[in-house]
Amino acid sequence: GQQVQQSPASLVLQEGENAELQCNFSSTATRLQWFYQRPGGSLVSLLSNPSGTKHTGRLTSTTVTKERRGSLHISSSQITDSGTYLCAMEPGYQNFYFGKGTSLTVIP
Amino acid sequence: AQTIHQWPVAEIKAVGSPLSLGCTIKGKSSPNLYWYWQATGGTLQQLFYSITVGQVESVVQLNLSASRPKDDQFILSTEKLLLSHSGFYLCAWSLGTGDEQYFGPGTRLTVL
Repeated sequence: GQQVQQSPASLVLQEGENAELQCNFSSTATRLQWFYQRPGGSLVSLLSNPSGTKHTGRLTSTTVTKERRGSLHISSSQITDSGTYLCAMEPGYQNFYFGKGTSLTVIP
Repeated sequence: AQTIHQWPVAEIKAVGSPLSLGCTIKGKSSPNLYWYWQATGGTLQQLFYSITVGQVESVVQLNLSASRPKDDQFILSTEKLLLSHSGFYLCAWSLGTGDEQYFGPGTRLTVL
């Protein structure tokens, strides 16, 4: 089956530092998406791109489809960025496979 | 504005009992709808998706079924719950294929 590996599993940063989250997947993807999972469990969609680089605010998503990998860069981290970040790959539209997530903790 | 509502918020059920979880989207016609499940400490898995009323596609069944009886309603159900059904269930909608998904608050299910 489809496999999505996220690294690191957890990350602790001081406020203001940058974070780099990685996502590797086992088969061809049409798109890679990044989500933030709230402590209560619900998800917020952050970025979605089939390939290349996409920005929103302090977030940058880069997807290299041919190499089956992607990354999420968070610049100037803030305490409120703390939480779990999930990546999901789509082998075809409408099907999504998630990684286990990266737990980010930002300390003052 | 679009809103997504899931019910119940939480449920404790006995093994072998039936289950029905609901999801309603208001303010958007003909959305794509999705069901996801996450065991405690586990990986989020997509269960079903629906593009239109009456049409549901299975991704991972886990002895569950889904139906879309109305344009704005998505139901997840089973006649006999298993211990392995415990976890967190999320419903989501999107405008269409490839579009951003918007998630509901989720339902936490405990099967004893």
